[in-house]
Amino acid sequence: AQKITQTQPGMFVQEKEAVTLDCTYDTSDQSYGLFWYKQPSSGEMIFLIYQGSYDEQNATEGRYSLNFQKARKSTNLVISASQLGDSAMYFCAMREGRGNKLVFGAGTILRVKS
Amino acid sequence: EPEVTQTPSHQVTQMGQEVILRCVPISNHLYFYWYRQILGQKVEFLVSFYNNEISEKSEIFDDQFSVERPDGSNFTLKIRSTKLEDSAMYFCASSEMDTQYFGPGTRLTVL
Repeated sequence: AQKITQTQPGMFVQEKEAVTLDCTYDTSDQSYGLFWYKQPSSGEMIFLIYQGSYDEQNATEGRYSLNFQKARKSTNLVISASQLGDSAMYFCAMREGRGNKLVFGAGTILRVKS
Repeated sequence: EPEVTQTPSHQVTQMGQEVILRCVPISNHLYFYWYRQILGQKVEFLVSFYNNEISEKSEIFDDQFSVERPDGSNFTLKIRSTKLEDSAMYFCASSEMDTQYFGPGTRLTVL
């Protein structure tokens, strides 16, 4: 069974607009962490934002924010004021297990149009 | 800003050869990881390492793989006898607590 589901293979957004990338997760753990990473065409994995399962406030980091809905097991990434440099693959991931491994979703390719 | 570094950036090898991928984690981090990403696919966990021992490994991490922290700074992944299907981008990551920071990756091509 998929533990991290990203249902949008690709998204387009107009420059300066906001965009929401969806992510749902499945876990029976009470304590877990949720992450978003950006992978530009150059290939590196860039950490964007983190949400702990016990955090009551939605995480924010500059233009990135999370819409964390624990009961629905979703952690959607909102990018405000999109820029051309935001064009990349975006991965949602969940930390689980005693080894703190990250389980990744399949990713969403975001294209920002000028 | 501290970052994870990896060498080489690209490694080409013949099937059956041994390769060692090297990583220098962020200096005050205690947890180390290897992941791989086959071209066009999702990132997959290989192994996590803490306190000089493996804390968790995936099904992918079979007997042909090993990890080592030979000194206070390096963290290596060895693939003993490479197969064609080992061709992938290999990422090293490290963390102090929750957030894992990734290196730029080593692209391994097995011919």
